[in-house]
Amino acid sequence: GDSVTQTEGQVTVSESKSLIINCTYSATSIGYPNLFWYVRYPGEGLQLLLKVITAGQKGSSRGFEATYNKEATSFHLQKASVQESDSAVYYCALSDGSGNTGKLIFGLGTTLQVQP
Amino acid sequence: EAAVTQSPRNKVTVTGGNVTLSCRQTNSHNYMYWYRQDTGHGLRLIHYSYGAGNLQIGDVPDGYKATRTTQEDFFLLLELASPSQTSLYFCASSPGSSQNTLYFGAGTRLSVL
Repeated sequence: GDSVTQTEGQVTVSESKSLIINCTYSATSIGYPNLFWYVRYPGEGLQLLLKVITAGQKGSSRGFEATYNKEATSFHLQKASVQESDSAVYYCALSDGSGNTGKLIFGLGTTLQVQP
Repeated sequence: EAAVTQSPRNKVTVTGGNVTLSCRQTNSHNYMYWYRQDTGHGLRLIHYSYGAGNLQIGDVPDGYKATRTTQEDFFLLLELASPSQTSLYFCASSPGSSQNTLYFGAGTRLSVL
């Protein structure tokens, strides 16, 4: 079936250090996967961080980057230097690019804690 | 700025109780969604709708009803609540199409005792 895997449930990083949050996907019934990263800050709803709809392209926002790697079926999230304000839960998500429902399949989420 | 408002923010009920979660969007979006989030499962789609009077079944619909009364309002109904429905519920809206961003509400935390 179609699924998204985030291997790290929680990540702790010191401020100004680099970050990578892993995301792989399986799209057995989706012909044109679109990939997303959403973020949820404490007490708030999820909000879009970045999205990429074309294989090989990179999305970026607020210093975060992710490249859609079709061969590796991956969409890892990276940031060169994290800040304490980046502490949040990050969700990788997948949708069917050929559909029109907007339905998303989410990973379990990765809680990022940035230590000062 | 897109806006999705959920109410209540917190709710406690007893097993067998009747609960309605409300969601209103002011984005003029066609699609609205109800997700639940549980530890170990991420967000899972319960029901969604592409317009007033329309309802589509999601991936985990058992025990839930939903109704879209207007383009703005989407309700999730638990008519016989069970402890397994204790969860964090998110509503979202979207213009539709797979490329569109979903705009989420802040969530409703429901506890069924």
